[in-house]
Amino acid sequence: GAVVSQHPSRVICKSGTSVKIECRSLDFQATTMFWYRQFPKQSLMLMATSNEGSKATYEQGVEKDKFLINHASLTLSTLTVTSAHPEDSSFYICSARGGRAGPGELFFGEGSRLTVL
Amino acid sequence: AQKITQTQPGMFVQEKEAVTLDCTYDTSDQSYGLFWYKQPSSGEMIFLIYQGSYDEQNATEGRYSLNFQKARKSANLVISASQLGDSAMYFCAFFHTGRRALTFGSGTRLQVQP
Repeated sequence: GAVVSQHPSRVICKSGTSVKIECRSLDFQATTMFWYRQFPKQSLMLMATSNEGSKATYEQGVEKDKFLINHASLTLSTLTVTSAHPEDSSFYICSARGGRAGPGELFFGEGSRLTVL
Repeated sequence: AQKITQTQPGMFVQEKEAVTLDCTYDTSDQSYGLFWYKQPSSGEMIFLIYQGSYDEQNATEGRYSLNFQKARKSANLVISASQLGDSAMYFCAFFHTGRRALTFGSGTRLQVQP
């Protein structure tokens, strides 16, 4: 079946640095990708929707200058956490769907756990 | 805005028994979908089952079935013959047909006891 891969699975960085997380669709073209954030023992919260070749749509309360999303190709979206701070420590998960996919065909990456020291 | 509610923060079930995880939602949309995902401690989101708002029959996938009651706006997950490997967090999610995005409930932690 379709697979979505995220990298890195875990990252630890110092406060003030930037971290890039990649989300790749391995065997299908993903016209739309979604980025979610999950704090410990909480649910997933949608951060933004990225569409290939256009600007991402951010959810209310999500700083677009802090969480940069690039969806430059049909198989890759990246989330860059700029000037990361300890409060940005979280589990970040992407999901992807193809252009003609039905609503049931939403696939999640394995997630990336970010720890900011 | 759509709201999705899981009222059971935690559930226990004996191995081999069936368990029902509750999920209710609130929407004025006519076209939508309901998902259930399993999230083990590793963090990955594992798709379990999907129900479209216009589907007349309840969805089933192996040991998973979705008890969809549209008028009551509920979409409960039923797991039959529970296994120890079923212990995990379970999330119900509302699919926005227009936005193509998911809104997740708060989750239910299921623990299967031997």
